[in-house]
Amino acid sequence: KNEVEQSPQNLTAQEGEFITINCSYSVGISALHWLQQHPGGGIVSLFMLSSGKKKHGRLIATINIQEKHSSLHITASHPRDSAVYICAAPSPTSGTYKYIFGTGTRLKVLA
Amino acid sequence: NAGVTQTPKFQVLKTGQSMTLQCAQDMNHNSMYWYRQDPGMGLRLIYYSASEGTTDKGEVPNGYNVSRLNKREFSLRLESAAPSQTSVYFCASSVLGTVFRLMEAFFGQGTRLTVV
Repeated sequence: KNEVEQSPQNLTAQEGEFITINCSYSVGISALHWLQQHPGGGIVSLFMLSSGKKKHGRLIATINIQEKHSSLHITASHPRDSAVYICAAPSPTSGTYKYIFGTGTRLKVLA
Repeated sequence: NAGVTQTPKFQVLKTGQSMTLQCAQDMNHNSMYWYRQDPGMGLRLIYYSASEGTTDKGEVPNGYNVSRLNKREFSLRLESAAPSQTSVYFCASSVLGTVFRLMEAFFGQGTRLTVV
């Protein structure tokens, strides 16, 4: 069992829908990251969260450290949001270089 | 464009063949990393280089070697490719010092490798 689990694995939505992607983790962490992997392969960081909520444009990320759960929301989804969304947490035991990555949620937004 | 450049983008190898994946960054970053991404699994660290002249093993180093040729370039070599090494490989670099801060990391576009 992966220490960082995401759901759903795949998600198809109609343009304009509100989307939620979930991330649960079993390790004690200080922060959690959300990444976006574009269809062409490039990976970019979206958020780093240690508590509460962060918002960037139509993207909102929340985290509940006690419940070991984070969500990524997309409001008014658009086909350009189609990508793989990955959550990641720094490993609590393996030094400064190692992160534990979720398996990703593949989102497809239809026009 | 500035960033992390990986070559090639696609490669098919026969079992037992060797090849080198190239990675170069033009942002003067100290640390560079090689990851692999497999279906149903998260990104896993193969090797990393905290600074020019140093390299260290990550989670899944077996079957790979690396060279930090200079500050810009970090290559990954498969000496004798196996089907289990079929994967998408990502190179990344990080802004500050020797700490990989994911929020400040830059990733390459990936190399899709198939070993038959």
